[in-house]
Amino acid sequence: SQTIHQWPATLVQPVGSPLSLECTVEGTSNPNLYWYRQAAGRGLQLLFYSVGIGQISSEVPQNLSASRPQDRQFILSSKKLLLSDSGFYLCAWSAWPRFSGNTIYFGEGSWLTVV
Amino acid sequence: SQQGEEDPQALSIQEGENATMNCSYKTSINNLQWYRQNSGRGLVHLILIRSNEREKHSGRLRVTLDTSKKSSSLLITASRAADTASYFCATATIQGAQKLVFGQGTRLTINP
Repeated sequence: SQTIHQWPATLVQPVGSPLSLECTVEGTSNPNLYWYRQAAGRGLQLLFYSVGIGQISSEVPQNLSASRPQDRQFILSSKKLLLSDSGFYLCAWSAWPRFSGNTIYFGEGSWLTVV
Repeated sequence: SQQGEEDPQALSIQEGENATMNCSYKTSINNLQWYRQNSGRGLVHLILIRSNEREKHSGRLRVTLDTSKKSSSLLITASRAADTASYFCATATIQGAQKLVFGQGTRLTINP
């Protein structure tokens, strides 16, 4: 069965410090990978998605970047965090679509507080 | 831009009652999905309905889709305290079928 791991679960970082959130998927190959952000009590905002190694699509211009160095690894980074980067970050995957609109499976999320 | 918009934003009912949440969207879709999120956790997929379907059932869940009105509803029958969570609709547009766009969610509280 497929599983998705996301870490760290919680982190508190000072303004201006770097960020690295990591996500890995097991039990599948060539997944679509996603990073979403959720502000407190709000909906999900799609930040990045990737359909293959080294391929990143950015949905919202921001202080963050994403990379996919391996097929099942997705990393969210920042060189210098801003207060507004605080939030709940969710990694997710979906199967490589033989048809469009596959179900998305989420990790447990990472709580980021920038202080 | 946000595609799905849920209504109401918050809903509080008594255990055993039915809960209905609505979702409206703006552009043509390939499918619409409903997800559930317990507080501070990741989202869990509940049900997917394709654009050529009008109704779908899964256990106590019933989803309808009206593409002419660009709207969907999620009905939870015989609600339980464990159904307390936030519920989100998400749409996959025909153009961007590899990604889902989520609404703001409905916060459902089931009172014992």
